[in-house]
Amino acid sequence: SAVISQKPSRDICQRGTSLTIQCQVDSQVTMMFWYRQQPGQSLTLIATANQGSEATYESGFVIDKFPISRPNLTFSTLTVSNMSPEDSSIYLCSVETGSGGANVLTFGAGSRLTVL
Amino acid sequence: RKEVEQDPGPFNVPEGATVAFNCTYSNSASQSFFWYRQDCRKEPKLLMSVYSSGNEDGRFTAQLNRASQYISLLIRDSKLSDSATYLCVVNSAGRRALTFGSGTRLQVQP
Repeated sequence: SAVISQKPSRDICQRGTSLTIQCQVDSQVTMMFWYRQQPGQSLTLIATANQGSEATYESGFVIDKFPISRPNLTFSTLTVSNMSPEDSSIYLCSVETGSGGANVLTFGAGSRLTVL
Repeated sequence: RKEVEQDPGPFNVPEGATVAFNCTYSNSASQSFFWYRQDCRKEPKLLMSVYSSGNEDGRFTAQLNRASQYISLLIRDSKLSDSATYLCVVNSAGRRALTFGSGTRLQVQP
């Protein structure tokens, strides 16, 4: 399966600032997914990052707050903009590793963000 | 109603016990089903896919009941290392995205 490197692994940020999380995959993938896991909660999909086109955002998430870049087939970034304490969460990138329609996901180790 | 619902637990069981988790999903058009395992402060990892005919992997057995829209996971002969949160995951029909349940926490005790 794919190996995913995410950084930073953790950060503590001040309210109103922005943080960019990087995700590097060791193989070329068509789609990369960004998830959020708030404390004690399960994973919620933020957006799907497609190479060569704009990301597709899920309901409740907007590009101005979570801009995404996908410059090539092995890399993506997620920016959390104008942060507030409610953005404190773990942010995970993932890629599909199954074949055909069996969309199994492999996750990066996550970026644990604390906003003060 | 949540798209995927699980009993949050925790399930506290002794070593060697058999434990079962259920998960219900709301979208009858869902096509792919999985169980993921998440250890504390770690990322989720695939435990097993769930097939219509049911499938077994060692001590783990997964079942799918499409008529009732639920998925089950059975763990036999529990080990201390099985302690984790088990996430029920369903493919959203017509989309590539996966929907995660909130997880069931298992604590296996010596």
